[in-house]
Order: sequence, then structure tokens, then C-alpha cells
Amino acid sequence: AQSVTQLGSHVSVSEGALVLLRCNYSSSVPPYLFWYVQYPNQGLQLLLKYTSAATLVKGINGFEAEFKKSETSFHLTKPSAHMSDAAEYFCAVTYGYKLSFGAGTTVTVRA
Amino acid sequence: DAGVTQSPTHLIKTRGQQVTLRCSPKSGHDTVSWYQQALGQGPQFIFQYYEEEERQRGNFPDRFSGHQFPNYSSELNVNALLLGDSALYLCASSLWDGQETQYFGPGTRLLVL
Repeated sequence: AQSVTQLGSHVSVSEGALVLLRCNYSSSVPPYLFWYVQYPNQGLQLLLKYTSAATLVKGINGFEAEFKKSETSFHLTKPSAHMSDAAEYFCAVTYGYKLSFGAGTTVTVRA
Repeated sequence: DAGVTQSPTHLIKTRGQQVTLRCSPKSGHDTVSWYQQALGQGPQFIFQYYEEEERQRGNFPDRFSGHQFPNYSSELNVNALLLGDSALYLCASSLWDGQETQYFGPGTRLLVL
């Protein structure tokens, strides 16, 4: 079964600092991996996806993620945090037709 | 181009009642998936509909049922509501293009008292 584990349920960063959210996957076949963001009281918005075309994936709002097969990781980064990045972030992997999500990481941004 | 829409946005029910939630997919999409997101948790897959049939189901009891209409819109029905059914219900739509990226609606917040 395909699954993802997000390391760290809470991340606090200063405005302008690097944002790093960790995700490790477990998959017996090459996976399709996704990062979604959820703002308070809203649905999920797709940030980016990995579909084996390139290991470094660029997404919206300045986020990017690197697929590392040797480490079974798909960590999400943003060089400079903005106050508007405060939200919950979910890593997900496809399993059959469904998405399996991690538990989520809440990001707070300090002024 | 309208995204995924869901109705209603909020709903309050009492234990034992039945509820129907509705979803319209993104234009051009033919597949609808439903997820339950309890407070503080990641979404959990309920089921997916394609060509008006349930294609895959998650670990949810038969109280949860669904339907897809010829225009690809979908309904989620939950019978005999329990307090534990209180959650955000998310609908996602997709189109198989070799990747099946799912796009989510804003969700329906269900509170069971």
C-alpha cells in the first residue's frame, strides 16, 4: 500500500525565512506525489505534483519540491516565507484511484 | 472556468437523521471523489464515482452511499448519522490524463448533534 508520512505537525518560521516541510513516502511502484495547502475553513488547493517528468517540481506561490528516490522523500520548500503562507499543508500519494494523505503540517509565520 | 462547487456550505443535523451533500465537478472533468476530513486530521477517502458507478471505496460503512448523474455531478448520502460523522466533507474532481490530478471544492461542514 502506498502511504506518506509528514514529519512535524507544526512548523513555525519567521517572515522571510526558509520554509521546509518534510514528507516521506512508501510505495512499491513509482508514485505520483502531491502537495496541497488548506487555508482556514477552506478546501484543499493543489500546490504542485510529481509525475516522474522531473525530480524538481515547481508549484504555485513560490513553492517547490524535490523527489529523491534514494531517500523516499518529497520535501516541500519555499526560500522566503510570507505571512500569507500560514496554513495547513498536506502531502499525498495516489493509491489506486484515491489519494492517501499525510496527517498535515501547520505552518505559522512570525512577523 | 468554474471550479468544483459543493452545497450546502454548512449543515447541522441530529443523530439518526439522513443527509445529502452535493458536488458539481470542474468543467471537463468526469470523475468525482469524496473525502471526509475530521478536525485536525488529513482527508480520508470515502469513494470515487466514474461513469455513474462506484469505482473504488475506502474503509467506510454502508451508511455512506453515493450517486453520480449523467452530467457528472454527484451526491453523497449518509444515513443514521452518528456524532462521529461530524466533519468537513470534501469533493474532488478529476479527468484521467495518465495522472488523474484531483481538484477539490470548498467542502461542506457537517455538524451532528
